[in-house]
Amino acid sequence: AQSVAQPEDQVNVAEGNPLTVKCTYSVSGNPYLFWYVQYPNRGLQFLLKYITGDNLVKGSYGFEAEFNKSQTSFHLKKPSALVSDSALYFCAGLGSYIPTFGRGTSLIVHP
Amino acid sequence: GAVVSQHPSRVICKSGTSVKIECRSLDFQATTMFWYRQFPKKSLMLMATSNEGSKATYEQGVEKDKFLINHASLTLSTLTVTSAHPEDSSFYICSAPQTGGDYTFGSGTRLTVV
Repeated sequence: AQSVAQPEDQVNVAEGNPLTVKCTYSVSGNPYLFWYVQYPNRGLQFLLKYITGDNLVKGSYGFEAEFNKSQTSFHLKKPSALVSDSALYFCAGLGSYIPTFGRGTSLIVHP
Repeated sequence: GAVVSQHPSRVICKSGTSVKIECRSLDFQATTMFWYRQFPKKSLMLMATSNEGSKATYEQGVEKDKFLINHASLTLSTLTVTSAHPEDSSFYICSAPQTGGDYTFGSGTRLTVV
C-alpha cells in the first residue's frame, strides 16, 4: 500500500528565514514524489517532482526538495521564506497510477 | 503548459436540486480525470476516476447515484451532484494526469447547499 505522511499540521516561519515542510513516504517500487501548493479557494499547483536522477530537485518559486531514500523522506525547502509563500502544501506519492496525497501542511510566513 | 478549466468556481444551490461541475482539458486530451473532494482544513479525498468512453470507477463509500460522473469526450469530464444536501457542501477539484507523471488540477468548485 502506498502512503504519504506530512507530520506537521502547520509550520510557522518568519519572513526571510529558511523553511522546511516535511514529508515521508511509503511507496512500493521506485517512488514518484511530488509537491503541490494550494492557495485559498484554488486548485492545486504543481511545484516540483522527483522521478529519478539527482536527489535535490529544484522547482517553482524558489522551492526545492531533497529525496532521501534511507530516511524515506522528501522534505520541501526554501532558503528564504516570503509572506506570499503562505499557503497549503501537499506532498504526493505515485506508487501506482493514482496519486496518494498527504494530509497537507499549512505554511504561515509572518512579516 | 497543460490547463484544466473547471467551472463554475462557486455555486450556491437549494437543497434537493442538482449541480453540474465541468472540467475541460485545454490543449491536451484527458483520457482520465480524477475527481476529489476537499473537506474543511484540507484533506483531499479521491471520489472517483473517470475514463473517456467508459464508466467511472468510484472509491469505496462514494455514492454512485449521488455523484454522477460522465466523461463523454477526451476534453470534457463532468460531475453532477444530484439531490444535493447541505452535507454535500464542499470544495470539489478535478485533476488530469500528464505525461511525465505529474498532474494538472482544475481551479476547484466551491459548492454550498442551502
